[in-house]
Amino acid sequence: DQQVKQNSPSLSVQEGRISILNCDYTNSMFDYFLWYKKYPAEGPTFLISISSIKDKNEDGRFTVFLNKSAKHLSLHIVPSQPGDSAVYFCAMGGGNKLTFGTGTQLKVEL
Amino acid sequence: GAVVSQHPSRVICKSGTSVKIECRSLDFQATTMFWYRQFPKQSLMLMATSNEGSKATYEQGVEKDKFLINHASLTLSTLTVTSAHPEDSSFYICSARDPWDTTANYGYTFGSGTRLTVV
Repeated sequence: DQQVKQNSPSLSVQEGRISILNCDYTNSMFDYFLWYKKYPAEGPTFLISISSIKDKNEDGRFTVFLNKSAKHLSLHIVPSQPGDSAVYFCAMGGGNKLTFGTGTQLKVEL
Repeated sequence: GAVVSQHPSRVICKSGTSVKIECRSLDFQATTMFWYRQFPKQSLMLMATSNEGSKATYEQGVEKDKFLINHASLTLSTLTVTSAHPEDSSFYICSARDPWDTTANYGYTFGSGTRLTVV
């Protein structure tokens, strides 16, 4: 039973445009939400997070949006750069545990 | 920032042998450490949560006798894959949580992972 789903396994975007990655969840008890970037054979790298009491958080090119009523989380990257190409995972925390989404492979093309 | 060192980065072992993976928090004390497993092109699946000085809590479907976890100190947790078989081949990632870390990552720091290949 996958509690956290990223319905797009892959996404291709042109350099300079906006990348939008989405994440849907079923458990309304999550307290905090994070996005990670991951390369093959490496650990995930933290990007940005948001608390359940907020609906938007921005850090440079990265903005995370949380719609609690829809149980939907999204990450906007603008402008997208070739170095952003990687797999992106959303993760959700409640208590002392993180649950990861299924991942989206982002490819930023020149 | 917080650093978690995971060793080895890759290991090849023969079927039937055991292999140990170490996870160390270098600059903080981690009361809780986590072990994940990632299959190719799939998500990170939590295997178990270990608290210093107590038994690990395993997720449903994870064999605790096969995946032995020890968290003997506040800076070290080990995962031992016992009697390894080819189906245990995977990418294993540890994470440590600093309970006093109030930064944006909620205290979670990840190791760089271990590629286990059982032949």
